[in-house]
This record gives sequence, structure tokens and C-alpha cells, in this order.
Amino acid sequence: NAGVTQTPKFQVLKTGQSMTLQCAQDMNHNSMYWYRQDPGMGLRLIYYSASEGTTDKGEVPNGYNVSRLNKREFSLRLESAAPSQTSVYFCATRTAFRSGANVLTFGAGSRLTVL
Amino acid sequence: GEDVEQSLFLSVREGDSSVINCTYTDSSSTYLYWYKQEPGAGLQLLTYIFSNMDMKQDQRLTVLLNKKDKHLSLRIADTQTGDSAIYFCAESRYSSASKIIFGSGTRLSIRP
Repeated sequence: NAGVTQTPKFQVLKTGQSMTLQCAQDMNHNSMYWYRQDPGMGLRLIYYSASEGTTDKGEVPNGYNVSRLNKREFSLRLESAAPSQTSVYFCATRTAFRSGANVLTFGAGSRLTVL
Repeated sequence: GEDVEQSLFLSVREGDSSVINCTYTDSSSTYLYWYKQEPGAGLQLLTYIFSNMDMKQDQRLTVLLNKKDKHLSLRIADTQTGDSAIYFCAESRYSSASKIIFGSGTRLSIRP
């Protein structure tokens, strides 16, 4: 049971190049998220998908696009990478408990460097 | 506002108690969470507390919630080297269950 799997783990890009970060979950969760983590800034939400076929912007969506291909997969695309997008990217899924608690399960992260 | 704030660093001696603090601004927060991130890994849930509770204890972990001051703390008793990590406070609310807001994280380091 892998949980949330992200690929690649590491990537180096040149400014202007494009790439897609992949995320797949085997937890049968509806909601999936993409966060970026920068030193001293915690986790900031880029995009989320409440269910298959829907996506919504988070706090920092500029420069990114997402695709919710099916229930399992949620990809994040950088069309023209910029040095400001150097970061560690985390995919997560959400378990919503009847009590109202919302617990996220995270992937191991993808470290992206843009030169 | 939607801020969740934490201090960035905490250093404690092995065997002492660690207290990591968090403040939040939104009084409609329903659940507050503590996540732990070990080096090179994703975040893992440690514990959470419902907003109508004052305290929750789970083995070495004690969570205290002061709703009046919007202050949350995580106490780790008998801190061990394996507790070295970044600890994130987070909140969610009924009005926007999909939106979970994280603090900046507190890096806990353990000295011998």
C-alpha cells in the first residue's frame, strides 16, 4: 500500500523549460492537493481538486496548471519554469472524518531546482 | 485573516520537555492539527484537537488549546533525538473543508 506517490523525486530545469510533476494515490480519496514548501514560509497551497473533474486555485497558482486525470492521479505542470519556482513540491490527499476533522496524507515530495 | 504563525526554531536538551507554540487568527477554525516532517520526507499527522476541547494527551504528546487567545501548543515530554524534525501547526474549518492552512513550521533541534 503505497499511499501517495510522487515522481520525480528530484529535477533540475533551465529557465523557460516545462515539466510535469506526477502524483498518484491508491487511497480512493476524492480530494487531492499540491503544495509548495519554501524555507520560513511553510506550506502554501497551489491548487486542489475536490473530486475527479474539478480543480480550484489555492494561494499561489500563478505559473502552474493542474490536471485531475482520474480519481487516482493529479498532475502539476510548469509551462515555463522560473527560478522563483525552485521549491519542494508536495502532493497530498484528504481523509474527511464524520467528526469534521480533515487529515492530509502527503507524498515524499519532489525537489525542483530552476537555474 | 487566515494566518497561522509559529516561531521558526526551538532547541532543547535531550530528556527535557519541548513546547512548540502556534497562534491562529480565524475564530471559525474547527480543528487544529500538528504535523511532523522528518528530513527528506513528507509531513505526517501527529495529532489533532477539536476546537471545543482544551487539552488532548497521547503518550508523550500533550496538546493545549486556548480558544480565547487563539493559541495552540504541542508539548513533547522526555524529548529524544528522534524528535528532531519540523513541526507544523494547521487549521481547518467547516466553511471550507478543502482548505487547510499551515503555519511556517518550527524546526526542533535536540542537543545532548
